[in-house]
Amino acid sequence: EIVMTQSPATLSVSPGERATLSCRASQSVSSNLAWYQQKPGQAPRLLIYGASTRATGIPVRFSGSGSGTEFTLTISSLQSEDFAVYYCQQYNNWPPATFGQGTKLEIK
Amino acid sequence: QVTLRESGPALVKPTQTLTLTCSFSGFSLSTNGMCVSWIRQPPGKALECLARIDWDDDKFYSPSLKTRLAISKDTSKNQVVLTMTNMDPVDAATYYCARMSRQLVRGKYYYYMDVWGKGTTVTVSS
Repeated sequence: EIVMTQSPATLSVSPGERATLSCRASQSVSSNLAWYQQKPGQAPRLLIYGASTRATGIPVRFSGSGSGTEFTLTISSLQSEDFAVYYCQQYNNWPPATFGQGTKLEIK
Repeated sequence: QVTLRESGPALVKPTQTLTLTCSFSGFSLSTNGMCVSWIRQPPGKALECLARIDWDDDKFYSPSLKTRLAISKDTSKNQVVLTMTNMDPVDAATYYCARMSRQLVRGKYYYYMDVWGKGTTVTVSS
């Protein structure tokens, strides 16, 4: 099973600033990586798939990069609605498609 | 518009079998390339993929839970059913179903979850 490790566990950033979230895979997942946003009491929402392709309706301030074992989600200018928990997930190897433990993005 | 909705008991007793239903609209599981997955999330914890069923009735299970899970589909009803046997308090979680989309990469398809249901919360207690 591929282990996904996200860092940091919690990230404190001020509105308007840039946030950079990291995700590392225990072995290569090529570019088969997705990022999800989850707000309290809500289901996850797909942000990025294929490591760098924004899902439908996702603002351009969200961008993804990386391949192999190292990935990054960048939010260029944080809006109030962006404070949430973010999960990366590899879907290169089924089963199972594994998630990271999440990064909580909080207001500084 | 694609929507999914999970339903099932909010409370089950230890050792019982949990049966959850995912009812969906906006797509058909008889369409080539369509898949539905079940995912769970214990309170305050991360997400865990449980099972997936494909349009051609291929099924995939989490290796750690494989002996306890069964996934099936009823294409005519637009439903996917997940059963989990021998429930334990550690299985308490919010259970989600999600539609999967696919991406063709170098001649092979890879599937990711693009639309999720709101989830249903299950407590395991006697």
